[in-house]
Amino acid sequence: NAGVMQNPRHLVRRRGQEARLRCSPMKGHSHVYWYRQLPEEGLKFMVYLQKENIIDESGMPKERFSAEFPKEGPSILRIQQVVRGDSAAYFCASSPATGLANSPLHFGNGTRLTVT
Amino acid sequence: AQKITQTQPGMFVQEKEAVTLDCTYDTSDQSYGLFWYKQPSSGEMIFLIYQGSYDEQNATEGRYSLNFQKARKSANLVISASQLGDSAMYFCAMREGTSGGSYIPTFGRGTSLIVHP
Repeated sequence: NAGVMQNPRHLVRRRGQEARLRCSPMKGHSHVYWYRQLPEEGLKFMVYLQKENIIDESGMPKERFSAEFPKEGPSILRIQQVVRGDSAAYFCASSPATGLANSPLHFGNGTRLTVT
Repeated sequence: AQKITQTQPGMFVQEKEAVTLDCTYDTSDQSYGLFWYKQPSSGEMIFLIYQGSYDEQNATEGRYSLNFQKARKSANLVISASQLGDSAMYFCAMREGTSGGSYIPTFGRGTSLIVHP
């Protein structure tokens, strides 16, 4: 199965610690999107990346959050000095490089972050 | 302004009946795509169906069909012959070209569907 792989599935961090969320896109996909889902809400866009480039980070909080998609390896969403309000489900999705308007996003199973 | 509006927070349907989940969208682009996703209680996001802005026929995928009314900017999901396993959250989404042309999908707040036996 060459779907979008996210890990860990569940992550518990204490306030002030760092959280690192990983995402390997679907085979052949070079576009990665990160979304956050708060309880009882829809998905909120955070950042869109291609290999070694951040294309759009308009949904990222200005502080503590960063994302990368290196030439080799998975995309990483990093949250520094986590606070309770960061508790949410974080979804990664990928799509191919062409036909963007026509291409559905393929989602991973998400990482459920709990900050205690 | 909301790009995607799902006005039904919750819907109930009897098993084997059909149900329509509403979605309206707002865009000035000519080229865009509309998508529906299902999120069961286990949490994963499952792609169901796609409709392109230039498609003249309504999309269908098995028991799912999309009632696309371009002039009214609506893209309602119709599920025929509901099954208990259809109980889930359903999200409508749109991809349109942003000023940078990056086609970032926008999601609605979702509709919770419960199928009764």
